Amino acid sequence: AQTVTQSQPEMSVQEAETVTLSCTYDTSESDYYLFWYKQPPSRQMILVIRQEAYKQQNATENRFSVNFQKAAKSFSLKISDSQLGDAAMYFCAYRGLMEYGNKLVFGAGTILRVKS
Amino acid sequence: DTGVSQDPRHKITKRGQNVTFRCDPISEHNRLYWYRQTLGQGPEFLTYFQNEAQLEKSRLLSDRFSAERPKGSFSTLEIQRTEQGDSAMYLCASQRSYGYTFGSGTRLTVV
Repeated sequence: AQTVTQSQPEMSVQEAETVTLSCTYDTSESDYYLFWYKQPPSRQMILVIRQEAYKQQNATENRFSVNFQKAAKSFSLKISDSQLGDAAMYFCAYRGLMEYGNKLVFGAGTILRVKS
Repeated sequence: DTGVSQDPRHKITKRGQNVTFRCDPISEHNRLYWYRQTLGQGPEFLTYFQNEAQLEKSRLLSDRFSAERPKGSFSTLEIQRTEQGDSAMYLCASQRSYGYTFGSGTRLTVV
């Protein structure tokens, strides 16, 4: 079964600085999707960024970018120019395409605190 | 696009009682998922529907749990004979293509 590991329970960053959240995963599939979700205290999960495994180019969405290392099964999220509104729980998630259907498998999350 | 709605937002129940939660997905989304999230943890998959068919159930979904999606529209998740260990946030998500939209969840507290 797929597993997703986020080794940083909590991270802090100064406003306007850059922070990187780590994620590793385990899978035997060659095609899959990886996601980063943000869950603010309001509890609604919001998609931050998505990466298709067959694409070598790292995904970027404004201040958010990923470092996808397929061979290492690593998928880190970089947040540039951090803002107070970035403070939330961040989840890395995996979705397989073949054997394991469409469900998302989540990591345990990383709490991001942004200091002013 | 009105988003995914879940009702109720909060539910407090006594141990042994039955509870039912409702999820209204985005209308054109044919896939619907239920997840359970305990404090400080990531969501764990419970079950998933494609239209009205329940295609997968997690081992977490004991016999006390049942989910339905009549007519492929809204879905209900029922927990019978609730236990304190059932206390959690229950999240619903609907999907079309590669996009998942989550609801705000139902927080269940079993006392």
